[in-house]
Amino acid sequence: DQQVKQNSPSLSVQEGRISILNCDYTNSMFDYFLWYKKYPAEGPTFLISISSIKDKNEDGRFTVFLNKSAKHLSLHIVPSQPGDSAVYFCAASARGGSYIPTFGRGTSLIVHP
Amino acid sequence: GAGVSQSPRYKVAKRGQDVALRCDPISGHVSLFWYQQALGQGPEFLTYFQNEAQLDKSGLPSDRFFAERPEGSVSTLKIQRTQQEDSAVYLCASRAGDTEAFFGQGTRLTVV
Repeated sequence: DQQVKQNSPSLSVQEGRISILNCDYTNSMFDYFLWYKKYPAEGPTFLISISSIKDKNEDGRFTVFLNKSAKHLSLHIVPSQPGDSAVYFCAASARGGSYIPTFGRGTSLIVHP
Repeated sequence: GAGVSQSPRYKVAKRGQDVALRCDPISGHVSLFWYQQALGQGPEFLTYFQNEAQLDKSGLPSDRFFAERPEGSVSTLKIQRTQQEDSAVYLCASRAGDTEAFFGQGTRLTVV
């Protein structure tokens, strides 16, 4: 059973608009969350993370929001750029699990010029 | 190099052949992970090392899969008697502390 779920396989957004990628998790022990970005034929690249003691973390155009009660996190990209087109993976980890990341299946983001 | 390096980038194996995939982590990184990524899926955890100790191998799909990191640096993932369902991208990642892991480019294994 998937512990980290990305229910939208794909998302299409116009350049300059906001991209919102969503992620749900089921394991209440998860306390550290990460987003990775992946281009074709490359490995995943770390983007941004958030600890469960926070509900928001911002880094430039990227903001991650965490709603612990709903077991939901989202990644906001504002403004979206064509170079943001990639597959985005949500990952979650737990202190008791040696912080080994568990990944979702990914959301393919396409930003149209 | 500064990043995680994996070799080979591509490997074609005949069914039944043994393969060995290599990972050079970032220097000084204590933790090392192996993941398997099938087409259209997210990375699936295989195994985890802290220095030379294999602390978790719960994700290895069968006893045909074996990983080692004898000196706490370079790691090798070995797959014996490869089968078609082993075809995937194998990703290695390393990490200094408990925060983000850094991934290599992966090895694409195709079993024919």
